[in-house]
Amino acid sequence: AQKITQTQPGMFVQEKEAVTLDCTYDTSDQSYGLFWYKQPSSGEMIFLIYQGSYDEQNATEGRYSLNFQKARKSANLVISASQLGDSAMYFCAMRNGGGFKTIFGAGTRLFVKA
Amino acid sequence: GAVVSQHPSRVICKSGTSVKIECRSLDFQATTMFWYRQFPKQSLMLMATSNEGSKATYEQGVEKDKFLINHASLTLSTLTVTSAHPEDSSFYICSASVNKGTEAFFGQGTRLTVV
Repeated sequence: AQKITQTQPGMFVQEKEAVTLDCTYDTSDQSYGLFWYKQPSSGEMIFLIYQGSYDEQNATEGRYSLNFQKARKSANLVISASQLGDSAMYFCAMRNGGGFKTIFGAGTRLFVKA
Repeated sequence: GAVVSQHPSRVICKSGTSVKIECRSLDFQATTMFWYRQFPKQSLMLMATSNEGSKATYEQGVEKDKFLINHASLTLSTLTVTSAHPEDSSFYICSASVNKGTEAFFGQGTRLTVV
């Protein structure tokens, strides 16, 4: 069975510093995709970054990068130069390569301090 | 990115009534959409997979007679909470993808309060 684990219920980071949000996953599939979403207090889900299981390079999108360690089954999100607007819930998610169904981790609430 | 629109964003209803929530893909066709439920400070729990032109597939523990899903067209899926009770109060959110394997785009979510 597929599973996503986020062990950090809450994280604090100083503005302008970098922060890493942890995510480990479990799947028996060879082809899969890993995603990170941001959910501000308004409730909307904002797509941040994607990593395919066959991608050799770590994904990057602006200030977001995904530290993909396939052997360890981890897909940590790194946010560089944190901003106050980054304060939100962050969810790691996974999908089988051949389908649409996405499962989510428990989430990590990030607090950015001024 | 693709746009998914969900309506209404907030709804308050009386116990025993039914509430319909719409999820539309505005700029792409979605043969498959997903409905999630999110309790306060918790993750998204997949309720069901909505398939255009066929019956929805429900996750274990989700009452299909309670949460009716209709995916009548390639751009619209609806979730009807029937005979709502206070314990059905929650945040409901839908998603759709353009293609398999790509990111899911989410609606804005619907906060349902049953009084």
